[in-house]
Amino acid sequence: EGQLVESGGGLVQPGGSLRLSCAASGFTFSNYEMNWVRQAPGKGLEWIAYIDTSGITTYHADSVKGRFAISRDNAKNSLYLQMNSLRAEDAAVYYCARDSGTCSGIECHHFDRWGQGTLVTVSS
Amino acid sequence: DIQMTQSPSSLSASVGERVTISCRARQNINSQLNWYQQKPGRAPELLVYSSSSLESGVPSRFSGSESGTDFTLTISSLQPEDCATYYCQQSYSLPYTFGQGTKLEIK
Repeated sequence: EGQLVESGGGLVQPGGSLRLSCAASGFTFSNYEMNWVRQAPGKGLEWIAYIDTSGITTYHADSVKGRFAISRDNAKNSLYLQMNSLRAEDAAVYYCARDSGTCSGIECHHFDRWGQGTLVTVSS
Repeated sequence: DIQMTQSPSSLSASVGERVTISCRARQNINSQLNWYQQKPGRAPELLVYSSSSLESGVPSRFSGSESGTDFTLTISSLQPEDCATYYCQQSYSLPYTFGQGTKLEIK
């Protein structure tokens, strides 16, 4: 079935850095593309980053491009989000999400497993 | 970026009632439309993918349909446990944009 567990959230000052981790278990992590999605307090879902199975191809939302970086370590079954130059508007619950990748052999993408989320607070 | 417009933003319905939530894509997304349910304090959960495919384990009262760039999530007979916020998402091209969400309350 699969499980994802995020960690690394916390309180950070504006301009600071934080590294989020997402530990995968119960499935072959290296076979799946992965994503980060965030949700500001009382707001909707915002997709922010994607990484392919090899870790070579990444894509970031404009709102975080140049400040955040998604990466993975398939040997450790782990996904990461390095967050630099944090702003007040980055405060949110951050979720890692598994991307299905295919539907009966045809390329399709949907997030079929989610972690429980980790809270990032940006405040002085 | 592909903009997704979801409506209504909130609705209230009675147990047993039929409920529909709409989502419109600004361009063709080749049926790559997903629906998620999120209950307070919980992570989102996948309900429907590729416009009309029901995720394993999801009750059959949930269904998805499409007409061009208009997509609909239908709950055929509303149950108390369906109280949640529902989001559509296009996964045709990156960035995978979400709709604004529909908060569903039980009367």
